[in-house]
Amino acid sequence: DIVMTQTPLSLSVTPGQPASISCKSSQSLLQSDGKTYLSWCLQKPGQPPHLLIYEISNRFSGVPDRFSGSGSGTDFTLKISRVEAEDVGVYYCVQGIKYPITFGQGTRLEIK
Amino acid sequence: EVQLVESGGGLVQPGGSLRLSCGASGFTFIDYYMEWVRQAPGKGLEWVGRIRNKTRSYTTEYAASVKGRFIISRDSSENSLYLQMNSLKTEDTAVYYCIRGGPFLGYWGQGTLVTVSS
Repeated sequence: DIVMTQTPLSLSVTPGQPASISCKSSQSLLQSDGKTYLSWCLQKPGQPPHLLIYEISNRFSGVPDRFSGSGSGTDFTLKISRVEAEDVGVYYCVQGIKYPITFGQGTRLEIK
Repeated sequence: EVQLVESGGGLVQPGGSLRLSCGASGFTFIDYYMEWVRQAPGKGLEWVGRIRNKTRSYTTEYAASVKGRFIISRDSSENSLYLQMNSLKTEDTAVYYCIRGGPFLGYWGQGTLVTVSS
């Protein structure tokens, strides 16, 4: 199975400051079709998860542009340019290139 | 608007069975891959399985932890996705989410809670 490792597992950020979460996969997520199936999801408290970013850097519909994704191969990063109070929750990276589909452990973001 | 509504969760004894349903609306159901993902209380996300679209003959994939016990199916006439869960174990206790692809994990339902306990 592909292991997805997120760091840090928790972070506390002052509103207006940036935040960054790293995700490393145990194998390359580059598919033969040229796409890299790495996504980021956010689960706000008491809610189901929802998609933020797909294929490394594509923001899903309605996702604010303060969220951005980058990376390649096995190393990926989610950045929030200016954290807002509504960004609290648990962030997960997930790979979709190989079965079983696997998630990172999750990174809990809280507001200082 | 894409909507996914899960139902069928509840309390079941170990060794028992349960069938979850997911009603889909707002899109052409046969065109999309569908997934089930679960979340045990206080834990992270675990992929359960996938059923492909009509073009890919509705073929399925499963996590090793549920293979041979769970069956994913879909009914295009009802625009519904199903998860038949057999030989349930206490470790299957979780909220089960129905998800539509396009993009991958793009649309999530609210989830339904399954509790396996005696």
